[in-house]
Amino acid sequence: KAGVTQTPRYLIKTRGQQVTLSCSPISGHRSVSWYQQTPGQGLQFLFEYFSETQRNKGNFPGRFSGRQFSNSRSEMNVSTLELGDSALYLCASSSGGPDEQYFGPGTRLTVT
Amino acid sequence: GENVEQHPSTLSVQEGDSAVIKCTYSDSASNYFPWYKQELGKRPQLIIDIRSNVGEKKDQRIAVTLNKTAKHFSLHITETQPEDSAVYFCAAPVLVGYSTLTFGKGTMLLVSP
Repeated sequence: KAGVTQTPRYLIKTRGQQVTLSCSPISGHRSVSWYQQTPGQGLQFLFEYFSETQRNKGNFPGRFSGRQFSNSRSEMNVSTLELGDSALYLCASSSGGPDEQYFGPGTRLTVT
Repeated sequence: GENVEQHPSTLSVQEGDSAVIKCTYSDSASNYFPWYKQELGKRPQLIIDIRSNVGEKKDQRIAVTLNKTAKHFSLHITETQPEDSAVYFCAAPVLVGYSTLTFGKGTMLLVSP
């Protein structure tokens, strides 16, 4: 079956702009989790969506938001971009319980 | 929520040696502990996981042990090979029963030929 896909793969934005990232999970998976990966902080959990509802939220400011559609595809949005938002953003899909998370290739966001 | 700590941050071994990476967790109710491997420029991939009803699990050269009393679990790689060089992350669910994970900071394993 097809793996998790993310678009775009690379993005360059300037401070103050906003950005929307997209994630398409494995068919049948209802849970999509988003992570931010940076060299200094490692992999940090942003939020999780399950059946179109936000089920968990990490310790990130309100500028980070997301949503999930009825086909389980998910988007995350970052408003008023800051230099510190430069990172690799990974999404992962799963069945929803404590089981393997399948990661997408990530979106590399650079804020200048 | 869960908190996971991982040691060491870097580990250098010679090919053929064993490597051990250790993690501790905070929530005594946690019951699922996966390990992910991330090669340079690639996405994290699950290499092995363990649930709280067993103390050890093996898959060829890789094994994971779990000590629920001490709240720690470890990854053991035997007969290391250069292709084992990568960053390894331990993890546990953010909340018991959920899929989203809290990750350790990662261990960069370097295997020299």
